[in-house]
Amino acid sequence: AQSVTQPDIHITVSEGASLELRCNYSYGATPYLFWYVQSPGQGLQLLLKYFSGDTLVQGIKGFEAEFKRSQSSFNLRKPSVHWSDAAEYFCALNYGGSQGNLIFGKGTKLSVKP
Amino acid sequence: EAGVAQSPRYKIIEKRQSVAFWCNPISGHATLYWYQQILGQGPKLLIQFQNNGVVDDSQLPKDRFSAERLKGVDSTLKIQPAKLEDSAVYLCASSLMGPGQPEKLFFGSGTQLSVL
Repeated sequence: AQSVTQPDIHITVSEGASLELRCNYSYGATPYLFWYVQSPGQGLQLLLKYFSGDTLVQGIKGFEAEFKRSQSSFNLRKPSVHWSDAAEYFCALNYGGSQGNLIFGKGTKLSVKP
Repeated sequence: EAGVAQSPRYKIIEKRQSVAFWCNPISGHATLYWYQQILGQGPKLLIQFQNNGVVDDSQLPKDRFSAERLKGVDSTLKIQPAKLEDSAVYLCASSLMGPGQPEKLFFGSGTQLSVL
């Protein structure tokens, strides 16, 4: 069965430090994978998506993610975190059909220390 | 361009009462989704509309939840009667699907429902 796992519920990093948020998936075919960000009281905003091709995907706000089929992972990275990056991050897998047919992980809450 | 509008922003009801949420998608967006996001979890798709027709409602608890999208624009999601476990944020999203265009979802800010 398809699933998305985000092992870290809460991560705290210092401003300016690098960030990596983990995401593992289970899916029987080539996955379409997404990272979304949700700020308090806001809807979800798409950071980046992987469909095929280059396994290193660039997104908005300086984020990137690397698809590793051998590890069933799609980890999100940012070289230098800003205080405004504090939010909740969701990894999602598309299970076919429309892009809204998504299975989300439980999310990772990112806190940024000054 | 205006985003996806949802109302009300917050709703508190007692169990067994009924409640309705409203969503106004971005103008011209043919596809509309409703998601349920329980605290501590990611959103779960409830129902997908294409214009005014239902494409997928396999995860909608049809014994108490209903949704409609009259005229293929605005949509309402109703719960009757509500249970404690329905406490969640209900998110609406819309997308424009056209030939050669990758579908991009736009999410509203959601309606936070508390069932007491």
